[in-house]
Amino acid sequence: EVQLVESGGGLVQPGGSLRLSCGDSALSFSSYWMSWVRQPPGKGLEWVANINHDGSDKYYVDSVKGRFTISRDNAKKSVYLQMNNLRVEDTAVYYCARALLYCSGGTCYFRSWGQGTLVTVSS
Amino acid sequence: DIQMTQSPSSLSASVGDRVTITCQASQDINKYLNWYQQKPGKAPKLLIYDTSNLEPGVPSRFSGSGSWTHFTLTISSLQPEDIAVYYCQQYDNLPLTFGQGTRLEIK
Repeated sequence: EVQLVESGGGLVQPGGSLRLSCGDSALSFSSYWMSWVRQPPGKGLEWVANINHDGSDKYYVDSVKGRFTISRDNAKKSVYLQMNNLRVEDTAVYYCARALLYCSGGTCYFRSWGQGTLVTVSS
Repeated sequence: DIQMTQSPSSLSASVGDRVTITCQASQDINKYLNWYQQKPGKAPKLLIYDTSNLEPGVPSRFSGSGSWTHFTLTISSLQPEDIAVYYCQQYDNLPLTFGQGTRLEIK
């Protein structure tokens, strides 16, 4: 069974940084677009970022542009989310998701999801 | 941004009932519409992609339809294990956006 496992969440003060990691057990990890989606406690889902198969193409929701960076290491079958200048409103469970083989203009849907990692931004 | 509006926000139905959830997009999304199921404390799970295509392994009691801006998710015969929050998602344009969710409960 395909598995995505996130790590790196925790409590951080406003203005601080965190780096989330997601390991993927899929043999064909390097073929897929990967994404991060977040869910504030008790609320709905919000797409955060996408990255293409070789990391040359990245897309972000406006609210995180300039603060978050998505990256990947295909040799390690991992995708990352570097989060800087964190705000209280970034508090959420962050899910790693495997998207499609190709996402035109970054538009995708999400076929497999990890269990999520909680990021809490609070003083 | 494309706004996705689901109705109802919550729904209570009996086992065996036919259940319909609606998703309205703020503009034509060319049938690039997906449905996810999220059970309590779990990650979302893809049920239907491209309006009406059932993801492998999803029970056939789930179906999707729609076009232009109006889409529906139907459960033909509600089962106890279908208790969850259901989200629609468009991928016609960035940013990718979700509906606010529909909470489905057993009466």
